[in-house]
Amino acid sequence: ETGVTQTPRHLVMGMTNKKSLKCEQHLGHNAMYWYKQSAKKPLELMFVYNFKEQTENNSVPSRFSPECPNSSHLFLHLHTLQPEDSALYLCATRAGEGNIQYFGAGTRLSVL
Amino acid sequence: SQELEQSPQSLIVQEGKNLTINCTSSKTLYGLYWYKQKYGEGLIFLMMLQKGGEEKSHEKITAKLDEKKQQSSLHITASQPSHAGIYLCGADNTGGFKTIFGAGTRLFVKA
Repeated sequence: ETGVTQTPRHLVMGMTNKKSLKCEQHLGHNAMYWYKQSAKKPLELMFVYNFKEQTENNSVPSRFSPECPNSSHLFLHLHTLQPEDSALYLCATRAGEGNIQYFGAGTRLSVL
Repeated sequence: SQELEQSPQSLIVQEGKNLTINCTSSKTLYGLYWYKQKYGEGLIFLMMLQKGGEEKSHEKITAKLDEKKQQSSLHITASQPSHAGIYLCGADNTGGFKTIFGAGTRLFVKA
């Protein structure tokens, strides 16, 4: 148990659906991250939030929309996804620069 | 931009054997992290190295950061089936909150 909880663990959606991924942390950390992990590729950083403000958008398509309503929650809203978006989406948090990142268990997303 | 290359990409060892995984950076490392991941799950933190020449151990796993701070190695002694998984190295960039990761090394341990 890392203190970072992601829901749902598995999600199957059609290309026209709208869904959201949720990340909740109980560590009191200021920075929260979304990563995408595809088969045999390095982790890809998608978004970074620091003190609820988005500080990094790593050229992510607009069909992915992050939201950080408070310091404990991070969402990733999904709409009109493509099959190549199928991957493991990981949330992570850290107390500050140079500190350890703690990861959630991930959401396995399949886009049909 | 900085890149991390891990070798080997995958490794199959007999239970009880020792093994080493390497992580080589294209630039000086300012904070090197080792994580372990079981298939389809999140990353579990193993160790963090910051100083050149630093070495840390946890149970049967030892990680080192070389003096020139551009390579790290992870060594497992007397491997067990519980060591199987994907090992990833990560490094912080020189500013901000970004961490880049290597592609991972898949370890299989045969009982």
